[in-house]
Amino acid sequence: GAGVSQSPRYKVTKRGQDVALRCDPISGHVSLYWYRQALGQGPEFLTYFNYEAQQDKSGLPNDRFSAERPEGSISTLTIQRTEQRDSAMYRCASSLDRVGGTQYFGPGTRLTVL
Amino acid sequence: QKEVEQNSGPLSVPEGAIASLNCTYSDRGSQSFFWYRQYSGKSPELIMSIYSNGDKEDGRFTAQLNKASQYVSLLIRDSQPSDSATYLCAVADNYGQNFVFGPGTRLSVLP
Repeated sequence: GAGVSQSPRYKVTKRGQDVALRCDPISGHVSLYWYRQALGQGPEFLTYFNYEAQQDKSGLPNDRFSAERPEGSISTLTIQRTEQRDSAMYRCASSLDRVGGTQYFGPGTRLTVL
Repeated sequence: QKEVEQNSGPLSVPEGAIASLNCTYSDRGSQSFFWYRQYSGKSPELIMSIYSNGDKEDGRFTAQLNKASQYVSLLIRDSQPSDSATYLCAVADNYGQNFVFGPGTRLSVLP
């Protein structure tokens, strides 16, 4: 596909379960970003990668959140021991280069924690 | 804490008018500035980027940057109902780090 893809598009889970959200960036894009977006708000930065290296994880809310991009392409955002407050739209974006370039967003994963 | 502020709106303008969207930011080290458009239920998409003080025009859109005042704006000329969306301002440093989005301004263009 030509764009950023994310899976699953919707995830409903029970409190305390772990979830893994996947992002497949545009082929060849160096940088990959994860955001969380609440309804009516702008995207909130979580973390980003250049190739396989995690450059900044200062936006991750706590140690239940982690992300990886082991081969510099697909990335996984993992939330352990989910809580209701984790419910949100999680968005992934990729950009061709690492210097503040255009970010192309995926469709997002809507996470609902019951 | 780096902050980007926008009026939440809604900003309502009649079709054909100029819509003016404003954004202020707190980090003087910011060097890259972006305007994204987000339709309801969709993902953000880039409209314009601007890196230098002054105006940058692209079709009906003009971005204006004033780093001294820490202010960036987006003007939409000849507004159309299809421009109705939330407009997100984002800023970053020279290395693409510290990428911060504002809360967005909801624009409604009335036919």
